[in-house]
Amino acid sequence: SQKIEQNSEALNIQEGKTATLTCNYTNYSPAYLQWYRQDPGRGPVFLLLIRENEKEKRKERLKVTFDTTLKQSLFHITASQPADSATYLCALGDTGRRALTFGSGTRLQVQP
Amino acid sequence: EPEVTQTPSHQVTQMGQEVILRCVPISNHLYFYWYRQILGQKVEFLVSFYNNEISEKSEIFDDQFSVERPDGSNFTLKIRSTKLEDSAMYFCASRDSAQGPQHFGDGTRLSIL
Repeated sequence: SQKIEQNSEALNIQEGKTATLTCNYTNYSPAYLQWYRQDPGRGPVFLLLIRENEKEKRKERLKVTFDTTLKQSLFHITASQPADSATYLCALGDTGRRALTFGSGTRLQVQP
Repeated sequence: EPEVTQTPSHQVTQMGQEVILRCVPISNHLYFYWYRQILGQKVEFLVSFYNNEISEKSEIFDDQFSVERPDGSNFTLKIRSTKLEDSAMYFCASRDSAQGPQHFGDGTRLSIL
């Protein structure tokens, strides 16, 4: 069955460092992958979308990579700030199924 | 920036009662979704809706659930006879194209007593 794995342990880093979050998947051939931010009690907020034919996408301090051979996406936040503290979700979609399949998320804590 | 809005933010209901959760998707979007998130768990897909009909539904979306787009702006999820295990955050999402990003509302927290 399809499986999406994100590091369930919280990631603690110092302000100013780069945070790197991992999303691995198995038994899946996604057409695209999305990263979301979720704060407690709030809905997921869309950050970046990367398609299967793209290797890398950037938006301001955010960078996403997508390796369909390794079946992995990496999400980077450079120059991290305490305001970046949240849970980050990866979600996969394919051409046949319009709905997203979500990972369980990784909680990021940026220490001042 | 346009956003998806959901009401109510919190709904408390007795088991066995019917509930209707409401959503106003982003105005030019064509694809609509309901997801749920049980406390501490993953966001799970319930149903997708396009061109005034259900395009896909998950195993969770059984006969107790229904969706409707009664007018040009609202999108509703009805649970006919609620169970304790229906307690969760319910999120509505919309997108403008089949592979574009989905944008989520802030959810309705449903508590079944």
